[in-house]
Amino acid sequence: DTEVTQTPKHLVMGMTNKKSLKCEQHMGHRAMYWYKQKAKKPPELMFVYSYEKLSINESVPSRFSPECPNSSLLNLHLHALQPEDSALYLCASSQDITLAGAQYFGPGTRLLVL
Amino acid sequence: AQKVTQAQTEISVVEKEDVTLDCVYETRDTTYYLFWYKQPPSGELVFLIRRNSFDEQNEISGRYSWNFQKSTSSFNFTITASQVVDSAVYFCALIRTGANSKLTFGKGITLSVRP
Repeated sequence: DTEVTQTPKHLVMGMTNKKSLKCEQHMGHRAMYWYKQKAKKPPELMFVYSYEKLSINESVPSRFSPECPNSSLLNLHLHALQPEDSALYLCASSQDITLAGAQYFGPGTRLLVL
Repeated sequence: AQKVTQAQTEISVVEKEDVTLDCVYETRDTTYYLFWYKQPPSGELVFLIRRNSFDEQNEISGRYSWNFQKSTSSFNFTITASQVVDSAVYFCALIRTGANSKLTFGKGITLSVRP
């Protein structure tokens, strides 16, 4: 089962709200990723977790806070976002960060910040 | 530094036509992997193929085929007898092995297949 699930599918939030995006995979993968994708652009890497530890942070603003509670779950906590943060947020997983394996993506959360 | 170039930005074909999506890459690594992903309007990136730098055999999967040529640093993707459901954005990507390696994506090619 090569499935990564993400909730919610759509999210509208004000600049003072706090919300969380959730991602789950049951493929036994040990690497999980958050990407941000603006319209008509390729995905941009935000964070990588390897064996539940933060491995890569691409200098993402602190208003984005990732969390990996266990090997199957990945959260992205959002606080005090700006309108320019509106985008499609994609979660992905792969077998292991060192193996350069295929990353399997979820359907994404479309975020609108008002 | 790695780079992936997808020079074609938008391609429009009529159903049943064959179409080739070009991908050219740059890397100094000897071991690396190349990928193609499909992103339909729904938004999810769908993994299509992974190819390592030591395997230059062409691959065919149904109507899809891939041509990897290391001599020209190209990894092109051909859809035979295109269908409306093939309409999507297609990304070529590159990654090296090792810790902290990251996928480098091309800018993507928007393919429209008209009935």
